[in-house]
Amino acid sequence: KNEVEQSPQNLTAQEGEFITINCSYSVGISALHWLQQHPGGGIVSLFMLSSGKKKHGRLIATINIQEKHSSLHITASHPRDSAVYICAALTGNQFYFGTGTSLTVIP
Amino acid sequence: DAGITQSPRHKVTETGTPVTLRCHQTENHRYMYWYRQDPGHGLRLIHYSYGVKDTDKGEVSDGYSVSRSKTEDFLLTLESATSSQTSVYFCAIRGGSTLTGELFFGEGSRLTVL
Repeated sequence: KNEVEQSPQNLTAQEGEFITINCSYSVGISALHWLQQHPGGGIVSLFMLSSGKKKHGRLIATINIQEKHSSLHITASHPRDSAVYICAALTGNQFYFGTGTSLTVIP
Repeated sequence: DAGITQSPRHKVTETGTPVTLRCHQTENHRYMYWYRQDPGHGLRLIHYSYGVKDTDKGEVSDGYSVSRSKTEDFLLTLESATSSQTSVYFCAIRGGSTLTGELFFGEGSRLTVL
């Protein structure tokens, strides 16, 4: 049983497309993080959410606590957005991670 | 960028040898974590620490031990490495506030056990 589920697992988009990655969780959380990992690279936290919506440049993250669901949106996608995106739900002192969404943006 | 470094970044060792990975932070954050990342499994928690000398096990702790004698250092030890412990290991740190605690990862340590 996975406490955190992400969809889709893989996603290919044309440059400029609007992208949505979804994350559902089954545990009570105090915060949810969206992470980005480029191929062969380290892991970077993009957002930390406990409610509502946040925006950084072309990236938007939303969370619905009642629905236990979060989404990461990328507007006007670019090849440099190609990476694995991981959601991480914080419960107590521990994180539960989704298995990631591998995004490829084609020029 | 957060001050978090892992060492070594790459290591090849033989089955049965001890291995220690080090995570060092300059942020004075309370929480430190060790994860392993394997294809098809995502990030899995090995051990974590919530203060000096305060540690707890994660879901894949068998074969691993940790120590935290100073706030800035969190060591992961494989007492007798096995091939199943070949993986990429990530350290992470988190600030103490649940609502504002940012999460930062080290660059990763790639371990190969032959």
